[in-house]
Amino acid sequence: QVQLLESGPGLVKPSETLSLTCSVSGVSISSYYWSWIRQPPGRGLEYIGYIFYTGSTNYNPSLKSRVAISVDTSKNHFSLKLTSVTAADTAVYYCARGAAVSSSPLWFWGQGTLVTVS
Amino acid sequence: DIQMTQSPSSLSASVGDRVTITCRASQSISSYLNWYQQKPGKAPKVLIYAASNLQSGVPSRFSGSGSGTDFTLTISSLQPEDFATYYCQQSYSTPDTFGQGTKLEIK
Repeated sequence: QVQLLESGPGLVKPSETLSLTCSVSGVSISSYYWSWIRQPPGRGLEYIGYIFYTGSTNYNPSLKSRVAISVDTSKNHFSLKLTSVTAADTAVYYCARGAAVSSSPLWFWGQGTLVTVS
Repeated sequence: DIQMTQSPSSLSASVGDRVTITCRASQSISSYLNWYQQKPGKAPKVLIYAASNLQSGVPSRFSGSGSGTDFTLTISSLQPEDFATYYCQQSYSTPDTFGQGTKLEIK
């Protein structure tokens, strides 16, 4: 079955770069849209952006200047980098898989990983 | 960005109650509206997609309706496992945006 697993440091210092990887199993990373979403503690969901397996990306304008999402098809994983972090970037970060079109729901989610900026 | 507004933000109800949550988009999104359920410490999961389609494995007491800008999620008879937070999400245009969530609590 499809499984996604986020990994990366749980603590990042202010002004540094947050880096997370989402390892995908049970399906090839090719042919689908792959997304990052975050959720500050006790708050709602914020869409960060997506990448298609070809490398095409789209980012939330509110984060666009600081975000980069990349994909490594040979390792079947994709990654998130968020630069110049502040305490406002403290959140649970989820990776998720859509479908072969960008307008699909987020069908599969990772368990999420808490990243604290402090 | 398309803004999604959910109401109410919280709701107290009893087992067996019928509950309706509404979601309004700031512009027309056709039927590109999805509903998610999230329980504490867990990732959201899809309940309803494309406004009215029940995701496989989701109980039939859940239903969705609407198109354009106004949508509803209805739970026909609340069960104990339904107490959770519900989010709507538009996938009509990027960036996808979520409603602020509706926390459904036991009365």
